[in-house]
Amino acid sequence: DIQMTQSPSSLSASVGDRVTITCRASQTISTYVNWIQQKPGKAPKVLIYGASTLENGVPSRFSGRGSGTDFTLTISSLQPEDFATYYCQQSYSNRDRTFGGGTKVEIK
Amino acid sequence: QVQLQESGPGLVKPSQTLSLTCAVSGGSISSGGYFWTWIRQHPGKGLEWIGSIHYSGTTYYNPSLKSRLTMSVDTSKNQFSLELTSVTAADTAIYYCARDFNGNRPYWDSWGPGTLVTVSS
Repeated sequence: DIQMTQSPSSLSASVGDRVTITCRASQTISTYVNWIQQKPGKAPKVLIYGASTLENGVPSRFSGRGSGTDFTLTISSLQPEDFATYYCQQSYSNRDRTFGGGTKVEIK
Repeated sequence: QVQLQESGPGLVKPSQTLSLTCAVSGGSISSGGYFWTWIRQHPGKGLEWIGSIHYSGTTYYNPSLKSRLTMSVDTSKNQFSLELTSVTAADTAIYYCARDFNGNRPYWDSWGPGTLVTVSS
């Protein structure tokens, strides 16, 4: 199965900071990566799919890049409502959908 | 706008079977191009894909759960279900159902709010 290694596992940042989260796949997966946000006590929601396509309604301060094995999620200017846990997830195969370990973004 | 809602017992005894249903509203479960998915989250932990099913009956299961897992679809009720047998405390988790848009770049575009299932005697 495909392993997704995400880093960092947590970070502290201030409102207005630029934040970047990285994810590495254990094999090449083209652009079959999604980025998921989860706030405490809430269901997850997809922010970005296909490595770089913003889901409807997601603010443009979120962006995704990458192809092959290395992917990034960037928040260009962190807002109070962005404090949450973020997961990368691969959808390369229907038989195997795996997640990264998550990155908790906290207020500095 | 499709909506999903999980339902089922919140407490299951060890060795018994965990059964959950996900009701779909605002869209047909028989729409082509979608798989219907279960995902779980152990308390305070990350997310784990359980499995996915198409209305035609095609299923994909997490290999680590495959021997205990059965998923099914009821098109007449517009819902899909999960059965996990021989549960242990390790199956205690929040269970989410989601719609898998299985296009060029698959992703889960709609989620239920989740339901907590505790395995305990």
